[in-house]
Amino acid sequence: GAVVSQHPSWVICKSGTSVKIECRSLDFQATTMFWYRQFPKQSLMLMATSNEGSKATYEQGVEKDKFLINHASLTLSTLTVTSAHPEDSSFYICSPSSGGRTDTQYFGPGTRLTVL
Amino acid sequence: DAKTTQPPSMDCAEGRAANLPCNHSTISGNEYVYWYRQIHSQGPQYIIHGLKNNETNEMASLIITEDRKSSTLILPHATLRDTAVYYCIVRVGGSSNTGKLIFGQGTTLQVKP
Repeated sequence: GAVVSQHPSWVICKSGTSVKIECRSLDFQATTMFWYRQFPKQSLMLMATSNEGSKATYEQGVEKDKFLINHASLTLSTLTVTSAHPEDSSFYICSPSSGGRTDTQYFGPGTRLTVL
Repeated sequence: DAKTTQPPSMDCAEGRAANLPCNHSTISGNEYVYWYRQIHSQGPQYIIHGLKNNETNEMASLIITEDRKSSTLILPHATLRDTAVYYCIVRVGGSSNTGKLIFGQGTTLQVKP
């Protein structure tokens, strides 16, 4: 399968600070990037979809000004959680895709964010 | 929202086959059925996908009914490392060439010694 990395794997920050999470597709070009978050004991929830070089499309209820997504290259996308609060503590997972309806979609290992 | 229904949990004895069912009665003709699993605190792992024919790979087999309204994922010889949450997902796409994967609650499979 495809190789996807996320950095950092975990982060602890103070309330009010911003945190940037990187997602890299190491062996293919990701024209599309999906960002998910997962709260404890819950399923993955899609936050946003971004295409390389374009603005991200956010799912209903996800604040675009709080969760900044940059997809400037075909191998790197970043998610910045701005002014983080304890309720933003979650497991954030990226999923790059090279496109195509039958394309197999792979996932990163996830980033555990804890906001104190 | 996810368009699939799965039992919340299942048990399986180690070494036996694990059969995980999924209902997707509203599936469209051009939508694929994907299966992923998630081991605790890791990203989802792709298992298998199919359109209408049965599929098999090194991890599992996927059996899709003729009317495509349900499917079964089969792990032929379950091991303790197969304990995970298994997600059955119908790929949403419409006219887009990049479909979103929308996760439901999945089935928690517990493989027991």
